[in-house]
Amino acid sequence: EAGVTQSPRYAVLQEGQAVSFWCDPISGHDTLYWYQQPRDQGPQLLVYFRDEAVIDNSQLPSDRFSAVRPKGTNSTLKIQSAKQGDTATYLCASSFRGGAEQFFGPGTRLTVL
Amino acid sequence: AQSVTQPDARVTVSEGASLQLRCKYSYFGTPYLFWYVQYPRQGLQLLLKYYPGDPVVQGVNGFEAEFSKSNSSFHLRKASVHWSDWAVYFCAVSIHQGGRALIFGTGTTVSVSP
Repeated sequence: EAGVTQSPRYAVLQEGQAVSFWCDPISGHDTLYWYQQPRDQGPQLLVYFRDEAVIDNSQLPSDRFSAVRPKGTNSTLKIQSAKQGDTATYLCASSFRGGAEQFFGPGTRLTVL
Repeated sequence: AQSVTQPDARVTVSEGASLQLRCKYSYFGTPYLFWYVQYPRQGLQLLLKYYPGDPVVQGVNGFEAEFSKSNSSFHLRKASVHWSDWAVYFCAVSIHQGGRALIFGTGTTVSVSP
């Protein structure tokens, strides 16, 4: 069974540029999470979905961040006008029926210069 | 507010020695608790999980953890550390918010000396 996949694995941007991250959860998992992990810190929840519906996006940092999951399968996290403070690894995870155990992808490591 | 505290940012142990990593949680409710490991440039891998029941849970690669409600703790242990255990370890609590999100601690980096 394939795990959670994410792309790209790495991204380097100048401040002000936009970037999108893509996540494909484990097949059949209806709940999808996005976490931000700054260097030397633990992951912090940004947003999560049940199917295509947003359950909680209260932790998205600002209007510069948006996330969608239009068909309840793959998801895209987008940062408009990136800032140096957005430098972090962005992790995607999925679970079955909102179960407690989450399965993580390898992450996208973002550097904003 | 819910939180997880890992008081040790870094631990160095000799190969073959025992290891204990501390985790304290704050959560009003029945906690579901997890330990994840993160190897360099990789995502998080589940070591073990606690669902309400037996307080001692076994995980992969010889790891085990013990839940204590009275101490609000979920400490991780391993009897004999291998060099391949060099990694960052995260404790997390699952909170119910219309689904189940994870709140993570700041992590403990384990270094293994020969």
